[in-house]
Amino acid sequence: DAGVIQSPRHEVTEMGQEVTLRCKPISGHNSLFWYRQTMMRGLELLIYFNNNVPIDDSGMPEDRFSAKMPNASFSTLKIQPSEPRDSAVYFCASSFRGRYGYTFGSGTRLTVV
Amino acid sequence: KQEVTQIPAALSVPEGENLVLNCSFTDSAIYNLQWFRQDPGKGLTSLLLIQSSQREQTSGRLNASLDKSSGRSTLYIAASQPGDSATYLCAEAQGGSEKLVFGKGTKLTVNP
Repeated sequence: DAGVIQSPRHEVTEMGQEVTLRCKPISGHNSLFWYRQTMMRGLELLIYFNNNVPIDDSGMPEDRFSAKMPNASFSTLKIQPSEPRDSAVYFCASSFRGRYGYTFGSGTRLTVV
Repeated sequence: KQEVTQIPAALSVPEGENLVLNCSFTDSAIYNLQWFRQDPGKGLTSLLLIQSSQREQTSGRLNASLDKSSGRSTLYIAASQPGDSATYLCAEAQGGSEKLVFGKGTKLTVNP
């Protein structure tokens, strides 16, 4: 298995632009998570899906952030419009009901200038 | 609110030393606890997963324990090596929710 795959690895964009981050979970995993990591706040859960349905989006900071999971093998996290304070590393993770642990992708390092 | 605390924030030891990293959590309704390693600029690598029904897990030089009654977990690293230098994160999954709540991590430096 190739693990959790995220793209792009790095993204540099100008303030106000739309940014879309992508994630492919491990086949067979039914839960998918989006986390954001910053030096100040550490790892924060933004949103998680179970069987493609958003279960908890309480960590999504603002309406500028949205996430979708149209099928079991793909999810997107979109920021529109982006702001410099959105600069962080965004991780996607997947699990099978959390029972056997969580597998993380390599992350997307987002820089908004 | 779930909170996970890791102390110390940073630790520096000489090569060969045995060491313990600490993690405490506030909710006893824990589902499982997972230890991760993160190298600078990299993603998270899972080290050990302890289910709520277990007391400890071992992998090579690593041993993780779980004490639900005290709300604590420890990661023991035997005979530390410079290659063990990284940030170690613990994360708790609470029963009834699949959310994984992370501590801020302990940055470990093993000096040759």
